[in-house]
Amino acid sequence: DAMVIQNPRYQVTQFGKPVTLSCSQTLNHNVMYWYQQKSSQAPKLLFHYYDKDFNNEADTPDNFQSRRPNTSFCFLDIRSPGLGDAAMYLCACQGVHGYTFGSGTRLTVV
Amino acid sequence: AQSVTQLGSHVSVSEGALVLLRCNYSSSVPPYLFWYVQYPNQGLQLLLKYTTGATLVKGINGFEAEFKKSETSFHLTKPSAHMSDAAEYFCAVSAASYQKVTFGTGTKLQVIP
Repeated sequence: DAMVIQNPRYQVTQFGKPVTLSCSQTLNHNVMYWYQQKSSQAPKLLFHYYDKDFNNEADTPDNFQSRRPNTSFCFLDIRSPGLGDAAMYLCACQGVHGYTFGSGTRLTVV
Repeated sequence: AQSVTQLGSHVSVSEGALVLLRCNYSSSVPPYLFWYVQYPNQGLQLLLKYTTGATLVKGINGFEAEFKKSETSFHLTKPSAHMSDAAEYFCAVSAASYQKVTFGTGTKLQVIP
């Protein structure tokens, strides 16, 4: 039973064309995270929410935005994807037992 | 601030041999420590975690890790490697249960038949 669901699993977008990645969770956890992971690197935190309080990491590019309309859903918007934004994007929510990750969305920019 | 250092970006072991993946941490407060496993094109899955109490922590798939404060280490071990253990492993640290987690750079484990 998937508890953190990311859609789509694979996304191909054109250079400069806005794209939105989605994440939903059935755990009712207040804290949610978006990570970017490039090949053979550690996940890099982009944003996190405590409930609806939004926290932007200092080095997250302005090209990246996030929305959390309710507890269950969280979106990552990339306004003008560049080739350097090709990566795996991971969503996670956090409860008392730690993080639960989704399966990720692999973004390809062409 | 917290950080972790994973020694060795690639580790190869023979099937049936001991697995040892090294992790050292730095933390200004008592750390919460984690090991995650990532299979290709998948998210991260929690293997085990240390919060407080017993320093030897057992996780899923036969893995365990020992918290050694004097050595600031949290190495991951498994007595006998299986082919299905081939994956990337990330050590991670946080300051408390609801604090954001900082990941190490990962270690790719290769299991040779």
